[in-house]
Amino acid sequence: GAVVSQHPSRVICKSGTSVKIECRSLDFQATTMFWYRQFPKKSLMLMATSNEGSKATYEQGVEKDKFLINHASLTLSTLTVTSAHPEDSSFYICSASNAGGYFYEQYFGPGTRLTVT
Amino acid sequence: GENVEQHPSTLSVQEGDSAVIKCTYSDSASNYFPWYKQELGKRPQLIIDIRSNVGEKKDQRIAVTLNKTAKHFSLHITETQPEDSAVYFCATNRGEGNQFYFGTGTSLTVIP
Repeated sequence: GAVVSQHPSRVICKSGTSVKIECRSLDFQATTMFWYRQFPKKSLMLMATSNEGSKATYEQGVEKDKFLINHASLTLSTLTVTSAHPEDSSFYICSASNAGGYFYEQYFGPGTRLTVT
Repeated sequence: GENVEQHPSTLSVQEGDSAVIKCTYSDSASNYFPWYKQELGKRPQLIIDIRSNVGEKKDQRIAVTLNKTAKHFSLHITETQPEDSAVYFCATNRGEGNQFYFGTGTSLTVIP
């Protein structure tokens, strides 16, 4: 149980284009989803917290107009990187909290490797 | 914001030996302390966690100890095996909420 999927697993896009990443909880309802960014050999950096049906809360320094987050249902959150640039290339990972489970436990998706050329 | 320091950044041990990774944090309101294992290119996997009302928790070869007064917690892996080789991250929650701050990671190599 508590499986989280992400799509796509890898994406290469040209500078200036937008990319959408999906995060789905497959077997549970997730009232809260989190989006992280991870640089090579670095830690996970929380970008934003996404609650179903409300606006996402962004961490300091994260541009909300550049990283659009939508959490339209209890099983799906999307991250759209708008007008992507090479510096946006990174590993993006989502996680989800099970609405019916332990409040603090997060289940992670497999990540999306974004490369902007 | 929360500062979670993790040491060491790299650790090599002989198979069968023990490995210890330590994290310190600054938010006295944090009450949940998970440890994650991440293999290259894969998702972080929760391996053990501890809540603030407990000082120690053990699960087979893995244990976590927590000192809330000193604001540090440690991961202990005994009888290490090559498959334990990975990057390990500690984390704490922000205040009493469920947003995490992650440590900087420890790359563990178990030498056969």
